[in-house]
Amino acid sequence: QKEVEQNSGPLSVPEGAIASLNCTYSDRGSQSFFWYRQYSGKSPELIMSIYSNGDKEDGRFTAQLNKASQYVSLLIRDSQPSDSATYLCAVRYSGNTPLVFGKGTRLSVIA
Amino acid sequence: DAGVIQSPRHEVTEMGQEVTLRCKPISGHNSLFWYRQTMMRGLELLIYFNNNVPIDDSGMPEDRFSAKMPNASFSTLKIQPSEPRDSAVYFCASTRDGNQPQHFGDGTRLSIL
Repeated sequence: QKEVEQNSGPLSVPEGAIASLNCTYSDRGSQSFFWYRQYSGKSPELIMSIYSNGDKEDGRFTAQLNKASQYVSLLIRDSQPSDSATYLCAVRYSGNTPLVFGKGTRLSVIA
Repeated sequence: DAGVIQSPRHEVTEMGQEVTLRCKPISGHNSLFWYRQTMMRGLELLIYFNNNVPIDDSGMPEDRFSAKMPNASFSTLKIQPSEPRDSAVYFCASTRDGNQPQHFGDGTRLSIL
């Protein structure tokens, strides 16, 4: 059973702080990793993808991947109230197979 | 570019009725996925297609659920007969080959009374 685990939260951070969201996955052979943001009542929206160990930065977002520890994280710098949403970690294990999603972490940024 | 298009956006119907959800994937995408999302269970994969062929339908909860993809630009998910426990948001997503991410439609919010 391939699993993706996330802390459900809520994670509360003050405006301007760094929000750190974490995800672990069960299959060591996993190939690609994604973070989606989902606002209440909306569909998941891709915000980051990462395929190799290390950090990948895009604006205020940084994805970090450690395949040895089977760990993916998302850092949001200078958090804004508009970042308040549920963040879904997704993992593809091989080829053209579907993504496996975690249940998401709810982030609340307090003004 | 148009994204994944789902219809209807909302559906309210009575128990026992047939429900048909529709999806148009992004042009050029050859994999299509149907998901169901609830508070309790999160996003659950129901079925997916590669090049219009169903690959894995092990997530379809019961025989009341069926899905088709008659061509590269259209798919349906049908529930017959519907039950109150089928109430959820149903998402369709599509992707190209390889390690590309999935792109989601806006979803259909289904309520079975």
